Amino acid sequence: SQQGEEDPQALSIQEGENATMNCSYKTSINNLQWYRQNSGRGLVHLILIRSNEREKHSGRLRVTLDTSKKSSSLLITASRAADTASYFCATDESTNAGKSTFGDGTTLTVKP
Amino acid sequence: DTGVSQDPRHKITKRGQNVTFRCDPISEHNRLYWYRQTLGQGPEFLTYFQNEAQLEKSRLLSDRFSAERPKGSFSTLEIQRTEQGDSAMYLCASSLGSFNEQFFGPGTRLTVL
Repeated sequence: SQQGEEDPQALSIQEGENATMNCSYKTSINNLQWYRQNSGRGLVHLILIRSNEREKHSGRLRVTLDTSKKSSSLLITASRAADTASYFCATDESTNAGKSTFGDGTTLTVKP
Repeated sequence: DTGVSQDPRHKITKRGQNVTFRCDPISEHNRLYWYRQTLGQGPEFLTYFQNEAQLEKSRLLSDRFSAERPKGSFSTLEIQRTEQGDSAMYLCASSLGSFNEQFFGPGTRLTVL
């Protein structure tokens, strides 16, 4: 079964609004990564946050990590139509220094 | 452009045929990963290499699947006797060491008729 679960499954907002997506996971992790995927395309890496970090920023993106609750959130501020995509979280488990385990993603639609 | 390339981008084959996909990682990356993604789901891990050594294989990787990375550079993923259930996007990623960002290629979309 997938380690990460994103919430909500789908999100529709107006351009200029903020979008918040959440990710929950089950086991102890070394880091958590967020990716974006446009329809039919490959994944684009957005942010990596390590287990000893609580918050990270990159441009209009803000990621938080709460290891006690085994959850993370991705905030996109001042959204644009070009942000329309699926967003995935992926966890690298502490005991498995190899694979990343992905959730099924949040589909974000930003209406112009 | 992430620097990871995959070939072909699309493959249509008939059930029972063998197919082979190629992945060229970012040149200095020692780790290479294969994932499979079906519509509406996140990528599922298949296998990964550190240099030329294959270190882990998922239970998803039946004996019809084989992956190689002979010189620690490019990798190939072969599927023998394809089945309709093999239809999916096959994604390759690379990273520098463990627990670091994985950079994905554009994927190979396989359709088995």
